[in-house]
Amino acid sequence: QVQLLQSGAEVRKPGSSVKVSCKASGDSFNDYAVSWVRQAPGQGLEWVGQIIPMFNTTRNAQKFQGRVTISMDEATNTVYVELRSLRSEDTAVYYCARGSLPTTMRWFDPWGQGTLVTVSS
Amino acid sequence: EVGMTQSPATLSVSPGERATLSCRASHNIGSSLAWYQQKPGQAPRLLIYDAITRATGIPARFSGSGSGTDFTLTISSLQSEDFAVYYCQQYENWAPYTFGQGTKLEIK
Repeated sequence: QVQLLQSGAEVRKPGSSVKVSCKASGDSFNDYAVSWVRQAPGQGLEWVGQIIPMFNTTRNAQKFQGRVTISMDEATNTVYVELRSLRSEDTAVYYCARGSLPTTMRWFDPWGQGTLVTVSS
Repeated sequence: EVGMTQSPATLSVSPGERATLSCRASHNIGSSLAWYQQKPGQAPRLLIYDAITRATGIPARFSGSGSGTDFTLTISSLQSEDFAVYYCQQYENWAPYTFGQGTKLEIK
């Protein structure tokens, strides 16, 4: 049964960048789509973007275009999300989640434990 | 973008009673709907997919119904561990995948 283990909490200043990792154990990422979802404090869930490892293609939500890069290291079975030009509104818990098919997410299962990114001067 | 609206925002129910949570999509999404449970400090957990199918290990007291634009999650007899926030998510029209704003299920 696959488990997703994310990197630890990060604190960044406005205007800087952050890169969060998500490592799969018990199965390979290669056979499933992977997404990043974020949750601001006390708020709901917001889809950030996805990667299709089979084709090494990515797609982001429109609001993150140009600021987010999702990538994968096949050798270490790890997916990354990098967010640039950070602002205070990016303060959130960032979750990775696996999709149900190789080429699309559909539902999200399982989820990583989450990584808190705090943007503060 | 498909908007998802959940109601009510907060639902107060006594243990042992039935809880009914609603989710409405702004466009027809067929049966492309999932439900998640989230407890404080934890990641969401998949409960239901394809509107009606329970995920692996989910107790039978959780059931989903609906299609098109109106969906319901029913918990037949609430246990103490069921008090949490519940989210619906559509996957018919993406990007983006969209979530409802959540329903907080609290103890009455």
